[in-house]
Amino acid sequence: GESVGLHLPTLSVQEGDNSIINCAYSNSASDYFIWYKQESGKGPQFIIDIRSNMDKRQGQRVTVLLNKTVKHLSLQIAATQPGDSAVYFCAENIGPGGSYIPTFGRGTSLIVHP
Amino acid sequence: EPEVTQTPSHQVTQMGQEVILRCVPISNHLYFYWYRQILGQKVEFLVSFYNNEISEKSEIFDDQFSVERPDGSNFTLKIRSTKLEDSAMYFCAGGSGSTDTQYFGPGTRLTVL
Repeated sequence: GESVGLHLPTLSVQEGDNSIINCAYSNSASDYFIWYKQESGKGPQFIIDIRSNMDKRQGQRVTVLLNKTVKHLSLQIAATQPGDSAVYFCAENIGPGGSYIPTFGRGTSLIVHP
Repeated sequence: EPEVTQTPSHQVTQMGQEVILRCVPISNHLYFYWYRQILGQKVEFLVSFYNNEISEKSEIFDDQFSVERPDGSNFTLKIRSTKLEDSAMYFCAGGSGSTDTQYFGPGTRLTVL
C-alpha cells in the first residue's frame, strides 16, 4: 500500500477479484479523508470520502475503512474491472480551524488484467 | 453532466515568461482550487479561493503566483516569471462547500524551457 510521501507501489489483480489499496497518514488531527482515482492524462476523480467520526463508509463497489488508532486508511474495490485500472491516492485534510488544505499521497497504481 | 474545463491543455513557455492558466469551474460551485502535479509526484495544493479572495495558500504559492476570478466564470492562475521547476500539470478544482467533494478539471501541462 501507499503512505503519504513514499514511492508509488503497484497492485496487479485479475478482473473480478477484490482489490485493497492502503494508505497511511501522518497527522492525527486530520479529520477528513478522500480517495481519488486518476486515469492517465486526466485529473483526479473523487471516489469516496470519510470523516474521522466514522470507521467505514460504502459506495457503489467501493468501501473505505478508517483506523484512527494506527492512522490507516484503505480502499476496497469489489469485483474489480479493467476500467478500474488507474492510480489511486488518498488525501487527508490538514489545517487549522477547519480550513481545507489537503495533503495527497503519491498513489498506488492498480492494474486489472482481463 | 457539467464539468470543469481548462485551457490550454498544454502550454510551452520560456523561462522568465508569464503564463496564465485558465479554468471554467462548474457554474454553481463557490470554492475554487489550484493544484499542481510534477511528473511522477504527488498532487500538491497551491491555493483555495472563495468569495473573490484567497482562503488558503501553500508554501509553493509564492509571490510569483496569483489567482483571479475576473468575470464570475473564469478562474485563472498566473505565474509571473516562470522557472524550470514550474513545469508540471496544473489542475483546477471546484466545490460547493469548503469541505465538500471537489471536481477536478483535466489539467494543463505546463512545460518551461
